Amino acid sequence: EIVLTQSPATLSLSPGERATLSCRASQSVSSFLAWYQQKPGQAPRLLIYDASNRATGIPARFSGSGSGTDFTLTISSLEPEDLAVYYCQQRNNWPTTFGPGTKVDIK
Amino acid sequence: EVQLVQSGAEVKKPGESLKISCKGSGYSFANYWIAWVRQMPEKGLEWMGVIYPSDSDTRYSPSFQGQVTISADKSISTAYLQWTSLKASDTAMYYCARTTSAYDAFDIWGQGTMVTVSS
Repeated sequence: EIVLTQSPATLSLSPGERATLSCRASQSVSSFLAWYQQKPGQAPRLLIYDASNRATGIPARFSGSGSGTDFTLTISSLEPEDLAVYYCQQRNNWPTTFGPGTKVDIK
Repeated sequence: EVQLVQSGAEVKKPGESLKISCKGSGYSFANYWIAWVRQMPEKGLEWMGVIYPSDSDTRYSPSFQGQVTISADKSISTAYLQWTSLKASDTAMYYCARTTSAYDAFDIWGQGTMVTVSS
């Protein structure tokens, strides 16, 4: 089973700042990595699939990059509504696995 | 509007059985896979398994194989997750989610069903 590690565990930034979230896989997952946003009390929402493709309706301030074992989710300019936990998920190896999440706090 | 609507919260005792549901609408339910994902209190996401409603092809995570049963009734666009004997450790939020293949990203999520198991 592929283990995903996310860092940092918590990120505290002010509105307008740039957020950089990392996801590292225990072995290569090619580009088969997705990112989800889970706001408090809500279900997760797909942000990015296959490392760099924004899902339908996702604002352009969210972008994904990386391949192999190292991936990044970037929020170019934080909005107050971006307060959430962000999870990465790999689908290259069965079973699909999720990372432990990065909590983004807005100062 | 494409959506998945899950059944309501449940409170059960250890040893009881339970079946929760997930109804799809706004798309061809039979032709997309439905996955179930567990989220224990204050914890992360765990993939439990997935079903293709068109032919009921089902795959389970090794961690959940034998612990739960996933099924679907395409005639009423509904997928199910069931337990025969609940444990306190089954207390969690359970989400269903749509995916285009057995191992793809989850593009549509249900609102979640909270299951509480307590004596």
